[in-house]
Amino acid sequence: DIQMTQSPSTLSASVGDRVTITCRASQSIRNWLAWYQQKPGKAPKLLIYKASNLESGVPSRFSGSGSGTDFTLTISSLQPDDFATYYCLQHSDIVYTFGQGTKLEIK
Amino acid sequence: EVQLVESGGGLVQPGGSLKLSCAASGFTFSGSSMHWVRQASGKGLEWVGRIRSKASNYATTYSASVRGRFTISRDDSKNTTYLHMNSLKTDDTALYYCTQRQPTPDWGRGTLVTVSS
Repeated sequence: DIQMTQSPSTLSASVGDRVTITCRASQSIRNWLAWYQQKPGKAPKLLIYKASNLESGVPSRFSGSGSGTDFTLTISSLQPDDFATYYCLQHSDIVYTFGQGTKLEIK
Repeated sequence: EVQLVESGGGLVQPGGSLKLSCAASGFTFSGSSMHWVRQASGKGLEWVGRIRSKASNYATTYSASVRGRFTISRDDSKNTTYLHMNSLKTDDTALYYCTQRQPTPDWGRGTLVTVSS
C-alpha cells in the first residue's frame, strides 16, 4: 500500500502569513491527490482535488501543486478561519491513504 | 443535495461484531462507489475501504488494518451501503463515515463505534 508522509505535523503561524504543507507519497501517484481541512467536531471539508484544482466555494488563497510523489498545499495569507487540521489523501492506488495530518495553530 | 446518514454504531466488546449502515440520497447511488472512512477521537482520518458499483462487479478493497475482518456490501434497491465489522479490536473505536466516492465534498455526521470491555 502507498504511504503518505505529511509534514510538518504541527505548524504555528500568524494571520497574514504564507504557509506551506507538504505530502510525500511512497511511490508515484501522478496527480491523484486531494487536500482536506477539518475543524474540531466537524466533517472534513474538501479544498483541492487532482493536486491543484480548487473545489467550488473554496477561497483562492488556497492552492495546491505537485505531481508524482511530492505535493504542497499553500495558503497565501492566513485568515483566522484557516486554523484547523489539514490532511492529504492519495487515491491513485486501489487502497487509498490519508496523510497523518498537519495541525495549523495560531502563533 | 447529497445526503448520507450513517447508523448502527454503539458499544461492543473486543472480539465482537457490528454492522453499520449508510442510507444515501441525492445522487445515483447504483452508479457510485461508496467508501468508509473512520476517525478515532483526537486522531487522523483513516480510509477503511470501498465498494464499487455493479458495473465494476461490486469490487471491494480495504485498508491493511481491517482487511480480513471488515466487509463492505451494498443494497442498490435501498440506496444503502453496509460495513460489517468482525473480530473488533479496541483500536477500531472511532467515528465512522460513509461517502460517495473519494475525494468528496459530501460527508454525513458519522456513527460512533466504541470497542471496550
